[in-house]
Amino acid sequence: AQKVTQAQTEISVVEKEDVTLDCVYETRDTTYYLFWYKQPPSGELVFLIRRNSFDEQNEISGRYSWNFQKSTSSFNFTITASQVVDSAVYFCALPGASFGGATNKLIFGTGTLLAVQP
Amino acid sequence: NAGVTQTPKFRILKIGQSMTLQCAQDMNHNYMYWYRQDPGMGLKLIYYSVGAGITDKGEVPNGYNVSRSTTEDFPLRLELAAPSQTSVYFCASSYQEGNSPLHFGNGTRLTVT
Repeated sequence: AQKVTQAQTEISVVEKEDVTLDCVYETRDTTYYLFWYKQPPSGELVFLIRRNSFDEQNEISGRYSWNFQKSTSSFNFTITASQVVDSAVYFCALPGASFGGATNKLIFGTGTLLAVQP
Repeated sequence: NAGVTQTPKFRILKIGQSMTLQCAQDMNHNYMYWYRQDPGMGLKLIYYSVGAGITDKGEVPNGYNVSRSTTEDFPLRLELAAPSQTSVYFCASSYQEGNSPLHFGNGTRLTVT
């Protein structure tokens, strides 16, 4: 079955610390995508990254980096030199079962609340 | 470009009342979705649609109905509101099958008392 586990419910760090958010997934598919979304206190959901299972290279975007390891079914997200504006709930997501060829019905983890203290 | 627009932003319902949550997108996306978000539970899929006239149930469809008469609109109907439907509802759309990112609306916070 398709499943996403974010074991860290809440993380609190002090500004400028590095922090890693864990995501472990289960899938029966041999090729798949993984996603991260951010939900700031204002409530909207913001797409951060999509990663194809073909590509296990680390992805870096500014202070954000993602480590995808197929061998451990993990897709972890690291924020370097965290800032107060990074305070948000972060969701990892994986497409669920197919319907008529569509595989876009995302299954979300329960999210990790990151609080960055000044 | 407005993206995905949800109305209303907030609503309080009494038990047994009905209402429709509106969702419209202007990106010509075929795929649209309704999720609900409860504290600590992530997002759960209620209903989805792969195109006008085609809808199907997600993980938690009980107590809800949808329709998709146009590509742009995907309203969610609550017929007999119950306290268990107190939640934040998100509508989303995507461009194509095969794992393109979801574009979310800003959500509707619904309280049923």
